[in-house]
Amino acid sequence: QQQVKQSPQSLIVQKGGISIINCAYENTAFDYFPWYQQFPGKGPALLIAIRPDVSEKKEGRFTISFNKSAKQFSLHIMDSQPGDSATYFCAARSINAGNMLTFGGGTRLMVKP
Amino acid sequence: NAGVTQTPKFQVLKTGQSMTLQCAQDMNHEYMSWYRQDPGMGLRLIHYSVGAGITDQGEVPNGYNVSRSTTEDFPLRLLSAAPSQTSVYFCASGITGNIQYFGAGTRLSVL
Repeated sequence: QQQVKQSPQSLIVQKGGISIINCAYENTAFDYFPWYQQFPGKGPALLIAIRPDVSEKKEGRFTISFNKSAKQFSLHIMDSQPGDSATYFCAARSINAGNMLTFGGGTRLMVKP
Repeated sequence: NAGVTQTPKFQVLKTGQSMTLQCAQDMNHEYMSWYRQDPGMGLRLIHYSVGAGITDQGEVPNGYNVSRSTTEDFPLRLLSAAPSQTSVYFCASGITGNIQYFGAGTRLSVL
């Protein structure tokens, strides 16, 4: 049973469009929510992260929206580019599990030129 | 800096064989961890360590052993490989548990 549920599993977006990936969680012990980006044959790399006392965080074309009451958070990629094609993972840190991360199932994003 | 280095990159084992996946980091990070990545399952935590001499179990520890004798190294041992352990394994390190730097992975097939 995954503690962090991620959707969709795959996503196709046209160049210049907005990519939206959603995650939901149940565990109220989660207190930090990062997103990782993974290119084929590589390990995941930290993209952007948010704490639950903030409703939105923006870094360049990447924005995290956080809804604490709904226990949901999402990644928005504005002006999506073919170079953004990768697998994206949301994650959550639990203060009850050695501060380690629990990951969602991943979303494979393809941005068509 | 090399970052997080994993060896080997690829490995094929027969059922019942044992082996050790190596992980080394040169960033003096206290936190190290092992994940396995399976399609649709994301990354699942196998074992982690918050410092030399300290290890703990993650979400899927069965069939795996770890030790942390130095800050730099965190090997993962498969005691008796099973086909269910076919996966891509990632080692990660961090100053804290929430910021993790990942290695390039080891792709393991158990026949």
